[in-house]
Amino acid sequence: AQSVTQLGSHVSVSEGALVLLRCNYSSSVPPYLFWYVQYPNQGLQLLLKYTSAATLVKGINGFEAEFKKSETSFHLTKPSAHMSDAAEYFCAVSDQQASGTYKYIFGTGTRLKVLA
Amino acid sequence: DADVTQTPRNRITKTGKRIMLECSQTKGHDRMYWYRQDPGLGLRLIYYSFDVKDINKGEISDGYSVSRQAQAKFSLSLESAIPNQTALYFCATSDLTGGEETQYFGPGTRLLVL
Repeated sequence: AQSVTQLGSHVSVSEGALVLLRCNYSSSVPPYLFWYVQYPNQGLQLLLKYTSAATLVKGINGFEAEFKKSETSFHLTKPSAHMSDAAEYFCAVSDQQASGTYKYIFGTGTRLKVLA
Repeated sequence: DADVTQTPRNRITKTGKRIMLECSQTKGHDRMYWYRQDPGLGLRLIYYSFDVKDINKGEISDGYSVSRQAQAKFSLSLESAIPNQTALYFCATSDLTGGEETQYFGPGTRLLVL
């Protein structure tokens, strides 16, 4: 069954430090993968997406993610954290079902805290 | 102007009351979704609609109903609200193009059931 696992419901980093948010998926076929960000009191905003074109995907605000099929991972990184990066981040996977429809599954989210 | 709007943004209601949350979109997408977000549980799908005549239950549809009035409008109703329906509700839209689907979210409706 398709699933998404985000390791660590809370992550704290110092300003300027590397951000690494982990996402592992399970899917029977290569999926489409997404990272969304949710700032306080706002909806989810698409950060980046993997659609099988390139394994290293660059998104907005300096974030990027690498699709690693052998590890079934799609971890989100940013070289240098900024205070404005504090938010909740969701990994999502979408793949085609046997019925031909697409199913979209979200992880449980990782709340990023950036320390001054 | 926002592509996906939700009304109301905040709502307080009492147990047993019927309420409706509304979602409108200007993206021209056929697909629309309703999710609820609870702390530690991420987003869970309530209902989804692939076009005006297509309505499907998600993983947690009990206690909810929906209406797709037009391509641009998708409403979520709680027929008799209960406290454990207190949550943040999101509407989303998507368009399946070339086998790729990306979802776009509204700002959310925060619902408190007393």
